[in-house]
Amino acid sequence: DAGVTQSPTHLIKTRGQHVTLRCSPISGHKSVSWYQQVLGQGPQFIFQYYEKEERGRGNFPDRFSARQFPNYSSELNVNALLLGDSALYLCASSLSGQGAYEQYFGPGTRLTVT
Amino acid sequence: ELKVEQNPLFLSMQEGKNYTIYCNYSTTSDRLYWYRQDPGKSLESLFVLLSNGAVKQEGRLMASLDTKARLSTLHITAAVHDLSATYFCAVDIKGGATNKLIFGTGTLLAVQP
Repeated sequence: DAGVTQSPTHLIKTRGQHVTLRCSPISGHKSVSWYQQVLGQGPQFIFQYYEKEERGRGNFPDRFSARQFPNYSSELNVNALLLGDSALYLCASSLSGQGAYEQYFGPGTRLTVT
Repeated sequence: ELKVEQNPLFLSMQEGKNYTIYCNYSTTSDRLYWYRQDPGKSLESLFVLLSNGAVKQEGRLMASLDTKARLSTLHITAAVHDLSATYFCAVDIKGGATNKLIFGTGTLLAVQP
């Protein structure tokens, strides 16, 4: 069975640009969460989506937005990129948005902002 | 503010030795995860601990959870070089309609031959 997939694998952008990262959950999973991992730190929660609705948001500015599609895939959008947005962006999927459901992580997208 | 603290942050150990990584957290949670991360890679799930007193073992790694003390440990037995990686604990937090993981600071483990 395919795991969580993310695209692209790597991305280089310039300050002020916009970026879209994509995630496809494990088949049958309806919840997708996004995490940002800056080098040398643990991942930080950005968003959780379940059944196409935002269910939770971490302490990130409004430049960060996301959405979930009817097939449960998800996009993370970041506007007006800053150097500090350089990080590994991880997507995780789970069966549901609540309850004892483990989150399964994808391979991540490495974003470099120059 | 919820905090998840790991110690040590860096651990250099010789092959064959034993050591323990500690994970303390500051709020109530019944679920805790341990992950391994190799440089430039994503997170590999090691253990899911679902209840107080839970103990799980896989190879040279053993994890335990004490929800009353808000403490989890990851014990390494007879370390080998292949265990060199960064290890994270993560606490599952319910907030409103969402579940989210709060990660610790990570422990960089370097096993020397």
